[in-house]
Amino acid sequence: AQKITQTQPGMFVQEKEAVTLDCTYDTSDPSYGLFWYKQPSSGEMIFLIYQGSYDQQNATEGRYSLNFQKARKSANLVISASQLGDSAMYFCAQAGYSTLTFGKGTMLLVSP
Amino acid sequence: NAGVTQTPKFRVLKTGQSMTLLCAQDMNHEYMYWYRQDPGMGLRLIHYSVGEGTTAKGEVPDGYNVSRLKKQNFLLGLESAAPSQTSVYFCASSPQSGGADTQYFGPGTRLTVL
Repeated sequence: AQKITQTQPGMFVQEKEAVTLDCTYDTSDPSYGLFWYKQPSSGEMIFLIYQGSYDQQNATEGRYSLNFQKARKSANLVISASQLGDSAMYFCAQAGYSTLTFGKGTMLLVSP
Repeated sequence: NAGVTQTPKFRVLKTGQSMTLLCAQDMNHEYMYWYRQDPGMGLRLIHYSVGEGTTAKGEVPDGYNVSRLKKQNFLLGLESAAPSQTSVYFCASSPQSGGADTQYFGPGTRLTVL
């Protein structure tokens, strides 16, 4: 069974600073994908970034990058130049053959 | 383009009542999913479908049934609601399997069972 661990229940960061949200996973599948989703207070789930297990380079999408360390089974999300609108819940998820397994999430608060 | 829509947005039930949540997607996606989200638990998969006419159990299927009679619709049924089913329910769809394809989520349905 897949397991996703997000060890930080909450994180605080000042506007314009960078922040790293941790995610570790546990799988025996040779091929898998890793996702990060954002859930603002309005409740919708917003896709941020994807990393495939065979991708040679770390994924980037604008201010979001994924620090993928396969040997350590970690897929940390890095948000550069934080903005007030980044305050939200962030979920890491691992994709298996047909389904996603989500972590419990990290609440990020960005202060002015 | 509506994406993934869910009906209703809010619902209050009494214990023992039944209801059906409707999910519709207009992206011609093969795969559809139902999750529940509880405080501190993240999203947990209830049931999913890999195509029209198919369904499969997820992590927490007990007390729920699903049907996928049309490719664009995925219904989640509660036959006899219990307070433990108070939750926010999300539907999602993806072009193919979740392995490499992004899942796109609906806005959620907040269900309270008294």
